[in-house]
Amino acid sequence: GDSVTQMEGPVTLSEEAFLTINCTYTATGYPSLFWYVQYPGEGLQLLLKATKADDKGSNKGFEATYRKETTSFHLEKGSVQVSDSAVYFCALSDGGGADGLTFGKGTHLIIQP
Amino acid sequence: SQTIHQWPATLVQPVGSPLSLECTVEGTSNPNLYWYRQAAGRGLQLLFYSVGIGQISSEVPQNLSASRPQDRQFILSSKKLLLSDSGFYLCAWRDTGASGNTIYFGEGSWLTVV
Repeated sequence: GDSVTQMEGPVTLSEEAFLTINCTYTATGYPSLFWYVQYPGEGLQLLLKATKADDKGSNKGFEATYRKETTSFHLEKGSVQVSDSAVYFCALSDGGGADGLTFGKGTHLIIQP
Repeated sequence: SQTIHQWPATLVQPVGSPLSLECTVEGTSNPNLYWYRQAAGRGLQLLFYSVGIGQISSEVPQNLSASRPQDRQFILSSKKLLLSDSGFYLCAWRDTGASGNTIYFGEGSWLTVV
């Protein structure tokens, strides 16, 4: 079945540091890929997405590129802020029966001033 | 624009008591609807999904049930809660139209079973 693997946290960085959160996936066919962000005590918000190979999703300074050859969708940001502290989830949708999402376990990001 | 709301936001229930979490979606029709659970220290697990009124599919066997009495209403229930039912429950929807491959989440409901 489908699966998503992302780096375990917590990841602690200083403000203005460069961020990479790795995400790799296993799926049949050509899934759509997503990054969701969960701020403390809140639901999940869509951060960005990519629906086909070589697509780049971007939002709020975050970027991720759909790499079919390496089955990866790594999240990057050039200069993080304290307000970026949250849990980040990588997910895929393969358009199967439920057409729901398969999630990674989440990466807790802590940005220190 | 579309919105999704779920309630209550927080509840503390004794073991063996019933549960009802409600979710409604506005601004769209015939959405796919989902219930996910996020247990402490774990990822998100799909519990139920629905592609239409009265149509419920369960992804995992459990102590919970779901119902969809109206097109944009999705309810998560239990007759007798267990301690292991504690967690963060998220309702979500997906537009079944041409542009709809993204799933959007509600604010979540924190359930503590004591």
